[in-house]
Amino acid sequence: TQLLEQSPQFLSIQEGENLTVYCNSSSVFSSLQWYRQEPGEGPVLLVTVVTGGEVKKLKRLTFQFGDARKDSSLHITAAQPGDTGLYLCAGETGGTSYGKLTFGQGTILTVHP
Amino acid sequence: ETGVTQSPTHLIKTRGQQVTLRCSSQSGHNTVSWYQQALGQGPQFIFQYYREEENGRGNFPPRFSGLQFPNYSSELNVNALELDDSALYLCASSKTSGSYNEQFFGPGTRLTVL
Repeated sequence: TQLLEQSPQFLSIQEGENLTVYCNSSSVFSSLQWYRQEPGEGPVLLVTVVTGGEVKKLKRLTFQFGDARKDSSLHITAAQPGDTGLYLCAGETGGTSYGKLTFGQGTILTVHP
Repeated sequence: ETGVTQSPTHLIKTRGQQVTLRCSSQSGHNTVSWYQQALGQGPQFIFQYYREEENGRGNFPPRFSGLQFPNYSSELNVNALELDDSALYLCASSKTSGSYNEQFFGPGTRLTVL
């Protein structure tokens, strides 16, 4: 069973602060996706990383895939109240598990004005 | 807005009943995956359909079944509902090509089993 451990589980910060969310596994992933989910809605895809060591930026969000493709991080610079939500990482191992996403348990981020 | 729609939005059933949830995939997508998300947890993979055939299944019992239609829309059926089936059911569509599979989620169906 592939497991994705996400940390921290909860994060409560003030507007303007920086934060990092981590996603770790003992499994190697062919791709890893980050999603943001708001209450009562489905997850919204933020980014997909596929190459070990890859770094992608989306405005104030920076995503990194570990060299061994077993871990990933999401860094938010100067957080804003609009960043509040549940952040989920999800990995795909490929092969016979192609298309099957294994999700972490999520990080609930609250940014206070 | 992903273009993936699900119906109904909310549903209340009693234990032992059967339920059918529906999903319309994004235009151009040929694969639909279903996930169950319990409160406070990440989604769990139920199964995936590609070209009207089941193409992978997670750790869910046979009373969870599905269908995919020629237009790539899909249904999730759950028989003999149990209290623990209460969850948000998410449908994700994707275009199966290349080395990875980006999935785009619908808004979900909130199922409550009493």
